[in-house]
Amino acid sequence: DVKVTQSSRYLVKRTGEKVFLECVQDMDHENMFWYRQDPGLGLRLIYFSYDVKMKEKGDIPEGYSVSREKKERFSLILESASTNQTSMYLCASSSDTGGPLSGANVLTFGAGSRLTVL
Amino acid sequence: GENVEQHPSTLSVQEGDSAVIKCTYSDSASNYFPWYKQELGKRPQLIIDIRSNVGEKKDQRIAVTLNKTAKHFSLHITETQPEDSAVYFCAALSSGSRLTFGEGTQLTVNP
Repeated sequence: DVKVTQSSRYLVKRTGEKVFLECVQDMDHENMFWYRQDPGLGLRLIYFSYDVKMKEKGDIPEGYSVSREKKERFSLILESASTNQTSMYLCASSSDTGGPLSGANVLTFGAGSRLTVL
Repeated sequence: GENVEQHPSTLSVQEGDSAVIKCTYSDSASNYFPWYKQELGKRPQLIIDIRSNVGEKKDQRIAVTLNKTAKHFSLHITETQPEDSAVYFCAALSSGSRLTFGEGTQLTVNP
């Protein structure tokens, strides 16, 4: 029962290409996140969204943009891919509602998208 | 913003021993502290969490302690097993719904 789905597990792109990473969740969560995972650096937040058409910058937004046209879908866009954007990208979602005992704020992650930029 | 530091970056223990991973955070307003486990090739999954109104929480062989005064929290795994080998991430929730993660700890349990 996959709940957060990332459209591509592996992508190889050229420098300068535009890249779209898609994420869909079926849990009716308000919050969606894009993280980047690199060895020794943990999970770094790129962008997040509290609601449809809302977006907030995370810790490393430079070179990225996002789109949330529907509640269940959150897209990460690399306008002009660069080699330093080679990484594993993780999408996640969470809900604020229900209080501590119901799992509020618990992140459910997608399987990840490994992007290589040549 | 919030800053979370995690130590050690790697930890190797013998099966049956205990393992302890420590994290510090900077934002005194943070009120939720989860721990995620990521096995090789898999997505991170929540294993235990603690909220700022309690000091300790246990779930079988794992426990988390929180010291709000010192702004640090720790994960304790007792009677470690090879299947505990993974990368563990701590995190802190500060403003809104935003989680800030530590750098991760690679735990290896040797049979």
